Amino acid sequence: AQSVTQLDSQVPVFEEAPVELRCNYSSSVSVYLFWYVQYPNQGLQLLLKYLSGSTLVESINGFEAEFNKSQTSFHLRKPSVHISDTAEYFCAVSPPTGGGNKLTFGTGTQLKVEL
Amino acid sequence: GAVVSQHPSRVICKSGTSVKIECRSLDFQATTMFWYRQFPKQSLMLMATSNEGSKATYEQGVEKDKFLINHASLTLSTLTVTSAHPEDSSFYICSARIRGYEQFFGPGTRLTVL
Repeated sequence: AQSVTQLDSQVPVFEEAPVELRCNYSSSVSVYLFWYVQYPNQGLQLLLKYLSGSTLVESINGFEAEFNKSQTSFHLRKPSVHISDTAEYFCAVSPPTGGGNKLTFGTGTQLKVEL
Repeated sequence: GAVVSQHPSRVICKSGTSVKIECRSLDFQATTMFWYRQFPKQSLMLMATSNEGSKATYEQGVEKDKFLINHASLTLSTLTVTSAHPEDSSFYICSARIRGYEQFFGPGTRLTVL
């Protein structure tokens, strides 16, 4: 069984400041790791993913996340946030094979960017 | 590409009635569709996995007779909430997968049972 912990339910930050959204997971097997973003009244969109290879993965809009196996973490970072980054962010894991690739989500972190 | 739609986006119904929610993959054929439920301030909880032409697989604790899932084609899955009650009020989200790992999510359906 897998579980995902997002300790911060809300993260307020000023525009152009850096931000880190924390994600820790627990699994007895190797996993794929994902960050999804949910804008108000919209469905989830895949932000970035770690499957294998380089532990640092980046999105097209400036976010990055680093897989740390020893700390079982996959924190999401952005060096300078924009108002448009205000959204709910979900960390998720799935087994690479078997189990139907079911996603297990964290409880989400509401990022609120203020002027 | 990889767009998933849901209909309706919002529905309000009286207690005891049934509600059907549609999930469509618009520009691809989905081998598998998933149904999730999201409570306010909480994460998405997987309810069931459905493969085209076969019975859905429900997660533990989800009543299959209450939440009927039909996956009639590679582009359409429906979730019917039967005899809905106020505690069924929630945000229902579907996702579709072609193959491999990536799921594409619909925009969700807000169900309110009065």
